[in-house]
Amino acid sequence: QVQLQQWGAGLWRPSETLSLTCGVSGGTLSNYSWSWLRQPPGKGLEWIGEITQTGSTNYNPSLKSRVTVSVETSNQFSLKVTSVTAADTAVYYCARDLKLWLRTPSRYFDSWGQGTLVTVSS
Amino acid sequence: VLTQSPVTLSLSPGERATLSCRAGHSVDKYLAWYHHKPGQAPRLLIYNTSTRATAIPARFSGSGSGTDFTLTISGLEPEDFGVYYCQQRSNWPPTFGQGTKLEIK
Repeated sequence: QVQLQQWGAGLWRPSETLSLTCGVSGGTLSNYSWSWLRQPPGKGLEWIGEITQTGSTNYNPSLKSRVTVSVETSNQFSLKVTSVTAADTAVYYCARDLKLWLRTPSRYFDSWGQGTLVTVSS
Repeated sequence: VLTQSPVTLSLSPGERATLSCRAGHSVDKYLAWYHHKPGQAPRLLIYNTSTRATAIPARFSGSGSGTDFTLTISGLEPEDFGVYYCQQRSNWPPTFGQGTKLEIK
């Protein structure tokens, strides 16, 4: 069974570039799409972006200009968010896309990382 | 926008829970439900309105279409308490509701 383990610093200064990595055990990145999501304190979940099984990326328009999702190795992918502010404070999750169709992401999420609390503060 | 109701639901183990999710625009059948407990990762329960995800017990069922959806939990177990989110993938970008907190009465 696939497991997702994520890591990265928990405290970032305003204007820095936030960086998180997600490692997949019990499988590889191949044949799946992979996403990042976040949950600000007291708020609901927000989808940030994805890297698909074909290597293309898609991002939430609310964050698009500041976000990059990329593959690091055969079983690791990463998130970078530039110019962070206090509004980027949240628990960040990596997640696997539920495989429903051959080439199109389902954009339902059936496996999740444990979450990383990211705080942006000077 | 996905609007969930009620915001909080207080029930006892063994009772039936009915949670609602209303979409501002039609999402066809493309709606999912997740269960989230503090400190844990969200768990996919239902996708495409009514299909249970792997290993999800039959007491969880989903219904609806278009803009109005319901998650029903028949016979609450102690582990069912927590926050439930609906999520749509029909319109861009994928979005989640604000959640319904199911608490023990």
